[in-house]
Amino acid sequence: DQQVKQNSPSLSVQEGRISILNCDYTNSMFDYFLWYKKYPAEGPTFLISISSIKDKNEDGRFTVFLNKSAKHLSLHIVPSQPGDSAVYFCAAFQGAQKLVFGQGTRLTINP
Amino acid sequence: DGGITQSPKYLFRKEGQNVTLSCEQNLNHDAMYWYRQDPGQGLRLIYYSQIVNDFQKGDIAEGYSVSREKKESFPLTVTSAQKNPTAFYLCASKRTVGYGYTFGSGTRLTVV
Repeated sequence: DQQVKQNSPSLSVQEGRISILNCDYTNSMFDYFLWYKKYPAEGPTFLISISSIKDKNEDGRFTVFLNKSAKHLSLHIVPSQPGDSAVYFCAAFQGAQKLVFGQGTRLTINP
Repeated sequence: DGGITQSPKYLFRKEGQNVTLSCEQNLNHDAMYWYRQDPGQGLRLIYYSQIVNDFQKGDIAEGYSVSREKKESFPLTVTSAQKNPTAFYLCASKRTVGYGYTFGSGTRLTVV
């Protein structure tokens, strides 16, 4: 039972344009959401997070949007840069105990 | 600098052998976690521990065992009962309060 789903395994975007990565979840008890970036053979690094009481959080080029009624969140990267090419994981917390991860989306930024 | 150290980076074992993956942190975090990454399946939780001498099974604990004798250390043993042990294994830690995970750099285990 996949509680956090990233339905797009891959995404290709031109440099300078906006990248939008999507994530859906099924558990309404999730109260905190995070996005991680991961390169091959390395551990994930934290990008940005959002509490369930908010609908938007922004940090530089990265913005996360949360739509609780739709159980959907998205990560916007603008402008996209070649260094953004990586696998992005959406993750959710329930009660600050353990993280549940999505399957990941491989983002490729083309020059 | 504080962080999490996983060793070794690459590990090869013969089928039927048990193998132990090391995870050490000097962040003074209370909670520690083991995840497994397989292509197309994201990160799946194997075991986690929120305090010394206590741990809980995650979603895919079968064929694995852990111990938490010290706050700094959370080794994972992949036993011969694990049917598909070849994977990338990630260790993480977290303070009791808050949501921030810190991940190690991972161990790639290949069983031949």
